[in-house]
Amino acid sequence: AQSVTQPDIHITVSEGASLELRCNYSYGATPYLFWYVQSPGQGLQLLLKYFSGDTLVQGIKGFEAEFKRSQSSFNLRKPSVHWSDAAEYFCAVAAINMKTSYDKVIFGPGTSLSVIP
Amino acid sequence: DTEVTQTPKHLVMGMTNKKSLKCEQHMGHRAMYWYKQKAKKPPELMFVYSYEKLSINESVPSRFSPECPNSSLLNLHLHALQPEDSALYLCASSQGADRGHIETQYFGPGTRLLVL
Repeated sequence: AQSVTQPDIHITVSEGASLELRCNYSYGATPYLFWYVQSPGQGLQLLLKYFSGDTLVQGIKGFEAEFKRSQSSFNLRKPSVHWSDAAEYFCAVAAINMKTSYDKVIFGPGTSLSVIP
Repeated sequence: DTEVTQTPKHLVMGMTNKKSLKCEQHMGHRAMYWYKQKAKKPPELMFVYSYEKLSINESVPSRFSPECPNSSLLNLHLHALQPEDSALYLCASSQGADRGHIETQYFGPGTRLLVL
């Protein structure tokens, strides 16, 4: 069965410092991977996605993620964090339900990011 | 434009009330979704509509009743809810072009529901 783990429940970084959020997935076939961000009380905003091709993916707000098949990982990075990046970050994998042929997004538990001014 | 709108933003209701949540998108997407999200948890899929037809019901209690009047609108009718149904209800949409393909889902801001 497909699953996503995010080992870090909560991370605190100083403004201007670099950031890496970890994501590991379990999926038998080629994974389709996403990172979403959710600010307090808000919906989910897509940061970036990986479907195929270049394993280093650029997203919005200066974020990037690298797909590493050998490690089953899709870690999110940002070279310099801003106070406005404080939010909940969800990694997700999409899989096709073989019964229905519909895709289903499986979310990880989330990592809460705090930024110290 | 990748905007999904949801109304109301906040809703407080008693256990005997009937209310509805509304979701709208004008991106021409043909697949729409309802998710439930409890605090500090990831979203959980409730329903999927494809071309205005209910495609997936993730064993959701009948006190939640979805409706898709047209390709741009998705409603969630609520009746006789329980306090444990208090949560953020998120709507999402995707292109819905073809079954068997992975698509990107775009989320609305959600409706925060409190059941007293």
